[in-house]
Amino acid sequence: LAKTTQPISMDSYEGQEVNITCSHNNIATNDYITWYQQFPSQGPRFIIQGYKTKVTNEVASLFIPADRKSSTLSLPRVSLSDTAVYYCLVGNAGNNRKLIWGLGTSLAVNP
Amino acid sequence: NAGVTQTPKFRVLKTGQSMTLLCAQDMNHEYMYWYRQDPGMGLRLIHYSVGEGTTAKGEVPDGYNVSRLKKQNFLLGLESAAPSQTSVYFCASSKGQNQETQYFGPGTRLLVL
Repeated sequence: LAKTTQPISMDSYEGQEVNITCSHNNIATNDYITWYQQFPSQGPRFIIQGYKTKVTNEVASLFIPADRKSSTLSLPRVSLSDTAVYYCLVGNAGNNRKLIWGLGTSLAVNP
Repeated sequence: NAGVTQTPKFRVLKTGQSMTLLCAQDMNHEYMYWYRQDPGMGLRLIHYSVGEGTTAKGEVPDGYNVSRLKKQNFLLGLESAAPSQTSVYFCASSKGQNQETQYFGPGTRLLVL
């Protein structure tokens, strides 16, 4: 069963690039890696998803090395509104689904 | 599209009371989930459903029951509430494909005294 580990908290400043790494040593062959963002009193919101190599969308990039035992969420030029908790999720579809959430990384963006 | 909605937003129960949390989605998603979120524990899956009429246990199912009589609704029941069930409950839904993009509701805050 895949277990995910991520830093508890990170600090940054506006305009900087932030990289949050998630470790998932026991990831299964058919597991995807997904990152979510959560603001206080709201449900998590999808940011980005990948299986291997690099994925980029309008808000973030996701880097996954060949062994897939870790992944790095990259947020370019963060702003104050990026202050949130970021969760790494490793899981797969199917009836016997195992969805393993990290405990979240609390990102504080300072002015 | 309302997305995923949850009812109620907040509830206070006494130990031993029962209640049902309602989750509704209008995206025609096959899969639905119930999570609880506690400080320092992240999100933990309680039960999930891969389609109408089917349910399965997640990581922490004890003390909860669920039903998926209609595709768009997923109900979470507490038959006899305990203080340990004080938490924030989130419902989510997904298409059910390999890409696990889940769409979450706003949450229900439950306090059991």
